[in-house]
Amino acid sequence: DTGVSQDPRHKITKRGQNVTFRCDPISEHNRLYWYRQTLGQGPEFLTYFQNEAQLEKSRLLSDRFSAERPKGSFSTLEIQRTEQGDSAMYLCASSLDRLGNTIYFGEGSWLTVV
Amino acid sequence: GDSVTQMEGPVTLSEEAFLTINCTYTATGYPSLFWYVQYPGEGLQLLLKATKADDKGSNKGFEATYRKETTSFHLEKGSVQVSDSAVYFCALFTGNQFYFGTGTSLTVIP
Repeated sequence: DTGVSQDPRHKITKRGQNVTFRCDPISEHNRLYWYRQTLGQGPEFLTYFQNEAQLEKSRLLSDRFSAERPKGSFSTLEIQRTEQGDSAMYLCASSLDRLGNTIYFGEGSWLTVV
Repeated sequence: GDSVTQMEGPVTLSEEAFLTINCTYTATGYPSLFWYVQYPGEGLQLLLKATKADDKGSNKGFEATYRKETTSFHLEKGSVQVSDSAVYFCALFTGNQFYFGTGTSLTVIP
C-alpha cells in the first residue's frame, strides 16, 4: 500500500439516513485529516487526528458528524441524519507530524444525498 | 486568520503557452507552501512545495518561489501541454492544518 485509500468511493443515500466513510492512511503517518470539498471550491478542513487523539475540529463539523481513529491507524467519518447540503466529496489525507511535511490525499468519497 | 487567495479562473491557454497562476497568502508565523493539482474525479496530488522563504519548488516543469516580502507563491510553467489541464490549488500549512485556495481551473487546447 503506497497511498491513502478511502471507501466507498461513491455513496448515494436518502435524506435522513446515516453514512460512514473509512480512510486508511499511509502506514507510518501519525496525522490524519478529513476535508470536505464541494464543486468549484477548495477543500475545507473538518478535523484532524494525531495518532488516536482528535486534536482539532472545524465549526463545519456539526453534531451530526463524528470522526474516530480508535487505534491510531484507520479512521471513520460518520454523518447521521444526512441532509442534501451534506452532498460533497469527503477527502481524507495523512502526513507525518513535521512542519513542512507533505500531506497526501486519498481519492475521496463522493456523497450524494437525494 | 490564515488564508490563501488564488487567481480566479478558468484559464484557457494554447499548447506551449506560458502559464502563471497567482497565489498570495496571509499567515502568522512561517508556513510551508504547496501547490496541489486535481484531475477530474480524482483526489489532490502534490505538485510542488517550499518550506521557507526564497525556496523554489519545482516538478514536471512547474515552478513556484516562496516570496515572504510579497507573501506570494505564484505557479509558473514555461510551456503548457494538453495533459496539464486540471484544477490547481495553492495551500499553506501552519503546523496544525492546511488552508486551501478556491482552485484555478486550467484548460490547455491543442
